[in-house]
Amino acid sequence: NAGVTQTPKFQVLKTGQSMTLQCAQDMNHEYMSWYRQDPGMGLRLIHYSVGAGITDQGEVPNGYNVSRSTTEDFPLRLLSAAPSQTSVYFCASSPGTSLLLGANVLTFGAGSRLTVL
Amino acid sequence: AQSVAQPEDQVNVAEGNPLTVKCTYSVSGNPYLFWYVQYPNRGLQFLLKYITGDNLVKGSYGFEAEFNKSQTSFHLKKPSALVSDSALYFCAVRDGGYGGSQGNLIFGKGTKLSVKP
Repeated sequence: NAGVTQTPKFQVLKTGQSMTLQCAQDMNHEYMSWYRQDPGMGLRLIHYSVGAGITDQGEVPNGYNVSRSTTEDFPLRLLSAAPSQTSVYFCASSPGTSLLLGANVLTFGAGSRLTVL
Repeated sequence: AQSVAQPEDQVNVAEGNPLTVKCTYSVSGNPYLFWYVQYPNRGLQFLLKYITGDNLVKGSYGFEAEFNKSQTSFHLKKPSALVSDSALYFCAVRDGGYGGSQGNLIFGKGTKLSVKP
């Protein structure tokens, strides 16, 4: 049981380049999300999804795009990378949004460290 | 809007001594509160949660948290600290919105716990 798998673990981009951070989970979780972690700022929500075909914006969505074509996968796309997007990115999932079914008990991936030059 | 605050950037404790990591919250409606831990170069891991019921909540690795409604606090505690407890600790609160956003968490900025031998 792999849990939440993120790739790549490290990436260096030049300003203006695009890329996709991959996230896959094998727990049949309905809810998936992307956070970025910056020193002194905790974790901030970028985008989230409550099921295949359903996505929504979080606190800091600008410059990022997501899609959810399957329950398992939730890729995060950087459209035109900027130095302000240098960060550590975490994908997380949970069974759903019901407290009775484990909502908010997130399983996190190991993270993807992105540097934009 | 929901928010949590962690007033200490760092907490230093000697091994064997009790530890407390502080968290205060501000919510509209019922507070649903969580603690997560992040070990170096890893993703976050769920420790414990308060949904309703007993004010003292027990979690993983010997940690517990005390919910105090009058002081709007949810402090994390452990009777006897271990060097291996050294990590970054995050308090979080469930998003107070409707529908899918209820799966989201709002995180504090984190507190670095350092346990010295």
